Amino acid sequence: GESVGLHLPTLSVQEGDNSIINCAYSNSASDYFIWYKQESGKGPQFIIDIRSNMDKRQGQRVTVLLNKTVKHLSLQIAATQPGDSAVYFCAETWEYGNKLVFGAGTILRVKS
Amino acid sequence: DTAVSQTPKYLVTQMGNDKSIKCEQNLGHDTMYWYKQDSKKFLKIMFSYNNKELIINETVPNRFSPKSPDKAHLNLHINSLELGDSAVYFCASSQRPVAYDEQFFGPGTRLTVL
Repeated sequence: GESVGLHLPTLSVQEGDNSIINCAYSNSASDYFIWYKQESGKGPQFIIDIRSNMDKRQGQRVTVLLNKTVKHLSLQIAATQPGDSAVYFCAETWEYGNKLVFGAGTILRVKS
Repeated sequence: DTAVSQTPKYLVTQMGNDKSIKCEQNLGHDTMYWYKQDSKKFLKIMFSYNNKELIINETVPNRFSPKSPDKAHLNLHINSLELGDSAVYFCASSQRPVAYDEQFFGPGTRLTVL
């Protein structure tokens, strides 16, 4: 569902379930992608990154999948916890790029 | 110790005033950034400095003037504040001026222009 006011997509999951957050990126030349987590009242925090020569990368409880054919990125969070509640952003950049371009963000709400 | 700090946390002011936001990083990084996050949470880069030199200036009105007195500090001065300047401003830093390097963000400054 969509969060009224912020107009960001919202994902509500039960504690312990897996979460999948999606992102469509725009630049076919982008070769490096990052997921950031932003908790309420705080700045964005790096979660995980992936380069375009990879399809999948795993971290602690998080996995990022990259589908370059359809320019799609996803973040999977295993066994979602209340502390995972935040806004999640994907960001992209390209070779020799000196800036990150952020996507619109997705709100993740974890129900206990 | 806070890696990237900003002051003030909140700033409420009238239209037409001039205000400054300060940022400091203790990570020893060469590169610092200012981002603006609007009411829809959209995050966009404004400026970037590397070793006190401006390297990114993204079509920002010239009422906004960043200043970097040294590598560890990047301040943002805003003249003649407008309603549309209301937003959360984030400072960030990275080791080098390449987007492949992880950026560390400060806690943000919420600016409200009345």
